[in-house]
Amino acid sequence: EPEVTQTPSHQVTQMGQEVILRCVPISNHLYFYWYRQILGQKVEFLVSFYNNEISEKSEIFDDQFSVERPDGSNFTLKIRSTKLEDSAMYFCASSRVGPNREQYFGPGTRLTVT
Amino acid sequence: AQTVTQSQPEMSVQEAETVTLSCTYDTSESDYYLFWYKQPPSRQMILVIRQEAYKQQNATENRFSVNFQKAAKSFSLKISDSQLGDAAMYFCAYRSANAGGTSYGKLTFGQGTILTVHP
Repeated sequence: EPEVTQTPSHQVTQMGQEVILRCVPISNHLYFYWYRQILGQKVEFLVSFYNNEISEKSEIFDDQFSVERPDGSNFTLKIRSTKLEDSAMYFCASSRVGPNREQYFGPGTRLTVT
Repeated sequence: AQTVTQSQPEMSVQEAETVTLSCTYDTSESDYYLFWYKQPPSRQMILVIRQEAYKQQNATENRFSVNFQKAAKSFSLKISDSQLGDAAMYFCAYRSANAGGTSYGKLTFGQGTILTVHP
């Protein structure tokens, strides 16, 4: 069964550094999402992406965040200058277009900012 | 804005017994989807079951079923014949079905309920 994959599984970075989290969505899916889960808290929506542009973003997704689909398979989340509070689990998800848009999640990337 | 509330931070059940996890939500929309996701210790989010708001019939998936009460904005998950592998964090989630709305794609999650299954 096809699945969403994410790399790396764990990323440690120093405050102020840039990080890129990578995701490979399911191949016939056209909607892509990033969510964040701070340890012990609920999962929060960051951004959705369709047709090479952001379709919706949350207030968390400020100017330090960006997303990109650099090629036909990868979907990336860049955090320009990491802060301690960016430490969290980051989940990528993808879905088909249309009403039956069930989102399938990747295994997540644990980001630790020191 | 839509909100999802899970009022039970933790629940426990004996193996082979039945447990019900509660979820309430608030929305002004009439057309939407509701989901239960399971997050085991591996942290992967796994879809357990979904319910379309326009359907009166409660969704079922093997041992998992929901009690959807649209007027009360309640969406509980019943797990029958609980197994050790059911132990996980369970999240209730909402997604708008309104294509013209601002929240068409995103999932809004509740705080989660940790389910422990005792052998």
